[in-house]
Amino acid sequence: EVQLLESGGGLVQPGGSLRLSCAASGFNFSNHAMSWVRQAPGKGLEWVSSFSGGGGTTYYADSVKGRFTVSRDNSKDTLYLQMNRLRSEDTALYYCAKCSGWRPYDAFDIWGQGAMVTVSS
Amino acid sequence: QTVVTQEPSFSVSPEGTVTLTCGLSSGSVARSHYPSWYQQTPGQAPRTLIYSTSIRSSGVPDRFSASILGKKAALTITGAQADDDAEYFCVLYTGGGSWVFGGGTKLTVL
Repeated sequence: EVQLLESGGGLVQPGGSLRLSCAASGFNFSNHAMSWVRQAPGKGLEWVSSFSGGGGTTYYADSVKGRFTVSRDNSKDTLYLQMNRLRSEDTALYYCAKCSGWRPYDAFDIWGQGAMVTVSS
Repeated sequence: QTVVTQEPSFSVSPEGTVTLTCGLSSGSVARSHYPSWYQQTPGQAPRTLIYSTSIRSSGVPDRFSASILGKKAALTITGAQADDDAEYFCVLYTGGGSWVFGGGTKLTVL
């Protein structure tokens, strides 16, 4: 069974940093692109970042570019999201999502349960 | 800036058929946007229904189907059930590794 388990969420002050992790199991992790999608309380879904499979190219939404860094450790089947210079508008439930293939246009097909990030003083 | 449009709300009678759409603020949706559809109920993670225009995700009932209709992507539910009462999001690939979600459609089955 494919599973994604996010961790690392919490309360952080504006300007602070946090690192999310997503532990994957049940599929060949290195062969798949992986993504982060967030959902602010009571709002819709917003794509945040993706890391392609294979050679590994990273992509970011304009709203997080320069502040967030996505990475992956294929030896540990784990995806990460390093979030720096956090703002109140980054407050959201962050979902890790497996993509259906390795390419940047392979959409999200399996979702984790999410990790809550709250940015507040 | 690309904006993906969805109907804010829709209602359908049990056993009825409903088509939700996903459009672009400028231009037409094409297969090259790899439109995908997700269902979300309150307090739950999204569930993938359809990806790459019309590929049904594993375990999704065949009453859910999707296609390109005219200038938009479309999700059709044939024979709606009570547990289809949920919010439905579409997402489009806009190139350069980027995706844009629609604002979601709240579907009521009554």
